[in-house]
Formats: sequence, C-alpha cells, structure tokens
Amino acid sequence: ELKVEQNPLFLSMQEGKNYTIYCNYSTTSDRLYWYRQDPGKSLESLFVLLSNGAVKQEGRLMASLDTKARLSTLHITAAVHDLSATYFCAVGYGGATNKLIFGTGTLLAVQP
Amino acid sequence: NAGVTQTPKFRILKIGQSMTLQCAQDMNHNYMYWYRQDPGMGLKLIYYSVGAGITDKGEVPNGYNVSRSTTEDFPLRLELAAPSQTSVYFCASSDPGRNEQFFGPGTRLTVL
Repeated sequence: ELKVEQNPLFLSMQEGKNYTIYCNYSTTSDRLYWYRQDPGKSLESLFVLLSNGAVKQEGRLMASLDTKARLSTLHITAAVHDLSATYFCAVGYGGATNKLIFGTGTLLAVQP
Repeated sequence: NAGVTQTPKFRILKIGQSMTLQCAQDMNHNYMYWYRQDPGMGLKLIYYSVGAGITDKGEVPNGYNVSRSTTEDFPLRLELAAPSQTSVYFCASSDPGRNEQFFGPGTRLTVL
C-alpha cells in the first residue's frame, strides 16, 4: 500500500528564517507533486517533479526529488508572511492514470 | 477558459438524502478525478475516469457513484447521505501529456 508521510505537520517560522518540509513515500514512484492550499480555498500547483534528482525553484521555494530514497523536500528560504498556508505533497501512481496519494499536509505559519 | 468548475459551493443535507455534485472542465482533458478532503487531512481519491464511459474506483468509493457521459462532465452522486460524508469535495482534471492535475474550487458538504 502506498503511503505518503509529511513532516512536520505544523511549522511556525519567523520571517527571514529557512526551513525544510519533508515528504517520504513508501513505494516506487517517479512523480511527485507539491501543492499549496490557503484556508477555504482549492489547491494550487507549485511543483511537478518527474525524475530522480529533479530540482525546481520558484521564488523562495525550492523542491527536490530523490526517488531512490523515496524522499522529496520543499525548502523555504527567508520566509515571508505571504507563504503562510498548508503545503501538500502527492505521489503519482497507477501508470498513465496518474492517480495521486496525498500527504496529510504541513501547516506553515510565518510570524513577523 | 474557465478551467474546472464545481457546483454547488456549499450544501447541507439531511441523513438519507441524495444529491449530485457537478463538475465540468473546458480544457478537453480526458482524465477526471473526484477527491474528498476531511478537516486537517490530505485529499483522498473517490473515483476517477480516463474518458467518456470509463470510470473506476479510487481509495474511498463506498457511498458514492459516478458517471461520465461526456468529456466535459463528471458528476458525483451520493445516494444515502451519512454524517461520515461531511467533507470538502474537489474535482480535478488532467492532460496525460502534462502529468499535472488541475483542481476545481471545491464543494463543502455537511450531512446532519
């Protein structure tokens, strides 16, 4: 059974600090997705990682994928309040159907 | 393009009532998905479809039914609503070539 674990579940950060969210998954996959969700809103796609060693960056966020370790990381650099949200990783499975298994999410609160 | 649209946005049902959650997309995507999100949790796949006339179960299909008569529409049917179906429901669609799912705004359902 494919399981996806994120940690931490809750992260309180000060503005300007760096931190990393971890996403571990239990079976082979070469597709890993990061989403952002604001309270009461839908999911916004942040990154799509499709190969071992993939690294993508957008602003203060950088995501990477290590398929051998079954680990993805989302690194936050110099956090700002606007980054406060819940972040989900999701692992693709089922071949071409590209079904997703989601982690439980990391609630990020950036304090001034 | 409107992307993925869902109706209604909110609904309160009594136990045992039935309803259909509507989902439509105008991106000509073959793949469509229904997820539910319980409070403080990630999304779980209910049903998915790889094209008109083709549907299959996801992780948590019990208590739901789907149909796909057109490429654009993918309604989700609740036949006998139960309090355990209180959740936020998200519809998504994807283009197999892009490996990325696009989510609708969600329907918040409460069963009392």
